Amino acid sequence: QVQLVESGGGVVQPGRSLRLSCAASGFTFSSYAIHWVRQAPGKGLEWVAVTSYDGSYKFYADSVKGRFTISGDNSKNTLYLQMNSLRPEDAAVYYCARDLRFCSSISCYPMYSFDYWGQGTLVTVSS
Amino acid sequence: DIQMTQSPSSLSASVGDRVTITCRASQGISNYLAWFQQKPGKAPKSLIYAASSLQSGVPSKFSGSGSGTDFTLTITTLQPEDFAIYYCQQYNSYPPTFGQGTRVEIK
Repeated sequence: QVQLVESGGGVVQPGRSLRLSCAASGFTFSSYAIHWVRQAPGKGLEWVAVTSYDGSYKFYADSVKGRFTISGDNSKNTLYLQMNSLRPEDAAVYYCARDLRFCSSISCYPMYSFDYWGQGTLVTVSS
Repeated sequence: DIQMTQSPSSLSASVGDRVTITCRASQGISNYLAWFQQKPGKAPKSLIYAASSLQSGVPSKFSGSGSGTDFTLTITTLQPEDFAIYYCQQYNSYPPTFGQGTRVEIK
């Protein structure tokens, strides 16, 4: 079955860095775009970033652009989110989520929605 | 960015009730609309995509409808396990955006 398992969360001071990981199993990792979505305590869901299965495109929310970097290692079936210059407003549970792709008879296309989610990892930004 | 507005923000219902949640987009999104369920302390779970298509394994008590700017999620015969927060999400335009959520509580 499809599984996504996040790790790497913790307490970090403002301005410092943290790297999150998302280990995938149960599907062909190299065939899907994967997203990061976050949820601040008691708040709603916010899309953060996406990478294509081959790394050919990477997109970011304006709130993290220039500070966060998404990457994937197909040999390890693992997605990463490098978070630099962390701010208090970055505190959240971070989820990785598999893209809800659409496949025609010719090819598959990312849809920018989500079909499977990991359990999340908590990032706390505090001095 | 496309704004997604859900109503109501919360509702109280009894076991066995039928409930309807509305999601409105600030501009037309065709049928590129998904619904998610989130229980306390858990990850969101995908329920519906393309406005009305059920994700694999999701019971038929959940149904979605709508196109353009107005969408609904209907849950029939509420059970205790259905009490949760429900989010809509548009994926017609970048960036993908979510509604603020609707909390379904036990009356």
